[in-house]
Amino acid sequence: DVKVTQSSRYLVKRTGEKVFLECVQDMDHENMFWYRQDPGLGLRLIYFSYDVKMKEKGDIPEGYSVSREKKERFSLILESASTNQTSMYLCASTATANYGYTFGSGTRLTVV
Amino acid sequence: GNSVTQMEGPVTLSEEAFLTINCTYTATGYPSLFWYVQYPGEGLQLLLKATKADDKGSNKGFEATYRKETTSFHLEKGSVQVSDSAVYFCALRPPNQGGKLIFGQGTELSVKP
Repeated sequence: DVKVTQSSRYLVKRTGEKVFLECVQDMDHENMFWYRQDPGLGLRLIYFSYDVKMKEKGDIPEGYSVSREKKERFSLILESASTNQTSMYLCASTATANYGYTFGSGTRLTVV
Repeated sequence: GNSVTQMEGPVTLSEEAFLTINCTYTATGYPSLFWYVQYPGEGLQLLLKATKADDKGSNKGFEATYRKETTSFHLEKGSVQVSDSAVYFCALRPPNQGGKLIFGQGTELSVKP
């Protein structure tokens, strides 16, 4: 079974901390995405990547950065966590633009 | 710009009732359209998709038809089960923007026995 694995299901961090959210896929997919999910807002795209060391901003990149050093791993970084970044974070991957996404189970981040 | 609007939830139905979740979109060109489902505590799963006008996507008894004239992609099921309780997301993939998806806000469905 193909998989997208997010390293943590739940995280609690303090305001100002640097936070790393990890995502690994075992499908050799080129494309990887980070979304955040908030009630009433659906999913909003933070960053995405079409290849190793390549990244592009999504709709809400402020306060975030990403790293893709290897094809299978796409990390989301909160440089200085703030309470408005409390959310569910979802990672996804896809082989090409013509296929649907495979999602990870999500990381629920609480910033206190 | 590109956007997706879904009917607001929560939607509460009795088992074996007919389900419709409305989805309309705004897009330039000819997007592909998707329905995803999120069961409690899980990530999203692709439910069905349609890539061109008049295509019908179907899976697990769910159906949706890509209607370009009304810019709609409504999700339907003839007889829902308790196990269909989940959040449903409509999404579009704009043409020529790689794999990016734009999601609606989600509609929560609760099916009672």
